[in-house]
Amino acid sequence: TQLLEQSPQFLSIQEGENLTVYCNSSSVFSSLQWYRQEPGEGPVLLVTVVTGGEVKKLKRLTFQFGDARKDSSLHITAAQPGDTGLYLCAGAPTSGTYKYIFGTGTRLKVLA
Amino acid sequence: DVKVTQSSRYLVKRTGEKVFLECVQDMDHENMFWYRQDPGLGLRLIYFSYDVKMKEKGDIPEGYSVSREKKERFSLILESASTNQTSMYLCASRDSSTDTQYFGPGTRLTVL
Repeated sequence: TQLLEQSPQFLSIQEGENLTVYCNSSSVFSSLQWYRQEPGEGPVLLVTVVTGGEVKKLKRLTFQFGDARKDSSLHITAAQPGDTGLYLCAGAPTSGTYKYIFGTGTRLKVLA
Repeated sequence: DVKVTQSSRYLVKRTGEKVFLECVQDMDHENMFWYRQDPGLGLRLIYFSYDVKMKEKGDIPEGYSVSREKKERFSLILESASTNQTSMYLCASRDSSTDTQYFGPGTRLTVL
C-alpha cells in the first residue's frame, strides 16, 4: 500500500515567518497535488506538480516535486493568518487508477 | 463554479441504523469519490465511481456500500452503523480534463 507521510503534523508560527511542509513516500507518483482545507469546508486544490524536479509558485507559496517523484515540499514565505488551515498532499498512482493517496495532513496556525 | 453538495452537514445515528449520505455535483463529471477523514490519518478512500453504475472499492470499503444510478448523484450507505464509523465524510467530483477533485463541505457523522 502506498503511503504519504507529512511533516510536521502541527505547526504554530507568528505572522511573517517562513515555513516548509514536507510530503514523503517510498513510492513513485505520476503527479502530486496540494490542497488546503479550512474549518467546516472540504479541501481545495492549490496546485498540481507533474514533472520530477518541477517547481511551481503561487504568490507566497512555492511547491516542489522531488526529482524521483516520491516526495514534495510546500514553502510559505512571510506567512499570514489567512494561511491558517490543514494542508494535504495527494499522490496520483502510476498505475493510472483514480485511487489518489492522501497524506496525513499538516495543521498550520499563523498567529497575528 | 463547480458545486458539490452533501445532504447533511451533521448527522447523529444509533448503532445498527442504516445511514444514507447523499452527494450531488452539477458539472457532469464522470468520476466521483467518497472519503472519510480522521485526525492524523488524512483522507482515506472508501469507494469511487468512474461512471454511472460503475464503482470500485477504495482502501477501506468494509461496512460501506455505494450507489450511482445517475451521473450527478453518488450515495454512500452504511448498512448497519457502528461507533467506529463516527467520522467526517467527504464527497468529491473529479474534472478529468484538469485532474482536479472538487470536494463537498463534508458530513460529520456521529454514531452513538
